[in-house]
Amino acid sequence: AQSVTQLGSHVSVSEGALVLLRCNYSSSVPPYLFWYVQYPNQGLQLLLKYTTGATLVKGINGFEAEFKKSETSFHLTKPSAHMSDAAEYFCAVSPWGGSEKLVFGKGTKLTVNP
Amino acid sequence: DVKVTQSSRYLVKRTGEKVFLECVQDMDHENMFWYRQDPGLGLRLIYFSYDVKMKEKGDIPEGYSVSREKKERFSLILESASTNQTSMYLCASRTPSGSRTDTQYFGPGTRLTVL
Repeated sequence: AQSVTQLGSHVSVSEGALVLLRCNYSSSVPPYLFWYVQYPNQGLQLLLKYTTGATLVKGINGFEAEFKKSETSFHLTKPSAHMSDAAEYFCAVSPWGGSEKLVFGKGTKLTVNP
Repeated sequence: DVKVTQSSRYLVKRTGEKVFLECVQDMDHENMFWYRQDPGLGLRLIYFSYDVKMKEKGDIPEGYSVSREKKERFSLILESASTNQTSMYLCASRTPSGSRTDTQYFGPGTRLTVL
């Protein structure tokens, strides 16, 4: 069965510091991988996704993620955190080559300190 | 832009009431989904629909039913609400499979409290 593990339910960084949110997945077939962001009291917004091809994926708001098949990882990074990045972030995997039946991680809440 | 709307942002109901949560998308998508979100548990799929009048159980369908009479509308029904159904409910709509933009898009969520 496919699964997603997000290491760290809470991550705290200083404004201007590197943001690194970790995601590891298990999938028996080449997956689609997604990062979503949820701001307080809102729905989920797609940040970026990996399907095939280039393993470094750039998304909105300066975020990017790298698909590493050998490590079964899809970590999310941003070089310099901004206060507006404070939110909850969800990694998701879809093992069937599309976005049907996404399996979500439990989320990582990012706090950005001034 | 894909727009997914949900009928209520906040809802308070009493135990035993029948509750309807409505979701509408404006992009003629075939696939629609209902998730439940709880702290520390992430998102869990309740039901999804491939097309009009077609539905399939997700991971946690117990206590819920759904209705899809029109393509743009997908309803989640709590036949007899219970306190353990207090949660955030998120609807999603999926762009066509096989397209480069194959993605689920989410509505703003309905925070349901059952007293």
